[in-house]
Order: sequence, then C-alpha cells, then structure tokens
Amino acid sequence: KAGVTQTPRYLIKTRGQQVTLSCSPISGHRSVSWYQQTPGQGLQFLFEYFSETQRNKGNFPGRFSGRQFSNSRSEMNVSTLELGDSALYLCASSGDGYNEQFFGPGTRLTVL
Amino acid sequence: KQEVTQIPAALSVPEGENLVLNCSFTDSAIYNLQWFRQDPGKGLTSLLLIQSSQREQTSGRLNASLDKSSGRSTLYIAASQPGDSATYLCAVRGSGGYQKVTFGTGTKLQVIP
Repeated sequence: KAGVTQTPRYLIKTRGQQVTLSCSPISGHRSVSWYQQTPGQGLQFLFEYFSETQRNKGNFPGRFSGRQFSNSRSEMNVSTLELGDSALYLCASSGDGYNEQFFGPGTRLTVL
Repeated sequence: KQEVTQIPAALSVPEGENLVLNCSFTDSAIYNLQWFRQDPGKGLTSLLLIQSSQREQTSGRLNASLDKSSGRSTLYIAASQPGDSATYLCAVRGSGGYQKVTFGTGTKLQVIP
C-alpha cells in the first residue's frame, strides 16, 4: 500500500504571495490532518478534514485554509505569506481520524 | 488545554544501553497516545499507538506504557543501536468528540557507536 504523499516537497515563495500544498492520504483513509513544524514552536495542529468536512481546527489565522476532495486528497492554502510561515508542513492520514496517524514526508516552505 | 512535555530534550547514550523516554500530559481525558520518531528534515514514522484502555504496547525492541491517572507515558528502547538516533515525539489525542492531537516537545536521541 502506498504511503502518504505530499507535493511539492520544497517551495520557495516571497512575502505576500500565496501557496497551495497537496496531500494524498493512504488509500481508504478518510481523515487528513495538517501540521506546521518549526524549530521554535514544534509541531502545531492546523486542521483536520474527514469526508470533505473540516472536523477540527487549530489556532492559526484565517490566512491558513484547507479543503478535502471526494477522493480524500487534501489541499492547504496559505495566503499573504509572511516570513514566519517558513516551516515544514506535514500531512497525516488516518482511517477514521481517531486512531493511528501516518505522516507524509512534508513540504518545506521557505518565505523570502 | 492539553499540554504535553517530554524530558529530557536531548539524550546521548552508548550503543547497547537500554533507555527510557518520558512523555507527560496535563489532561488525563485522552483517547489514545502515539509515539513517533523523526529523522532530520523528514516526516514522522509511527512507532506505537496505545489506546486509553491499554497499559502498554510492544513492537520489537520498543515498549510503550501508559498511566493515565498520573498523566505519563514512557517509551522503553532495549539494546539501543546507532540507527535509533532520531527525535522521538509523543502525541496525545483528547477524548470526547473530535479532539485534536497535541504533540510533545520531543527528545533528541543520539546513540554513540
């Protein structure tokens, strides 16, 4: 079974731009969660989608948004990028959203 | 608000040693707890998942225990190897509905050959 895939793996943007990251969960998994990882803040929960509905949301500004498609693939969007948005963005998939999470390799976003 | 702490932040041990990593959480109303390892610049690899009704889980040289009442989990690594060098993270999922996952601060482990 293929694991969680994330594209792109690396991204360089400038302040004020917007970016879209993509995550394909393990086949059959219906839950996708997104996390931001930085050296200073560690791993922080962004949001979770289950069957195309946002089921939970972390404490991030409205510039961070996401969606999930009918095939469970998910995208997250960050608008009006700030320097502080530079981070490793990780996606995790879970069958039902309650149990074991499996992570993708992450997308490294650098904002200049 | 759930807070998850891992002590120590870094640990260096000689190869072959048995070691224990600690994870403490403030709210005992949890659904499950999961241990991960992360290699530099990479994603997280799931090691063990313990449901709230369980006391421990084992996989190979790894054993994780859970004590909800005291808000603690430990990850025991037997006969450590240089390949075990990584950052180890615990993650707690709250109970009661669609609770989000809270990650600990991580323990960076170095196993010296």
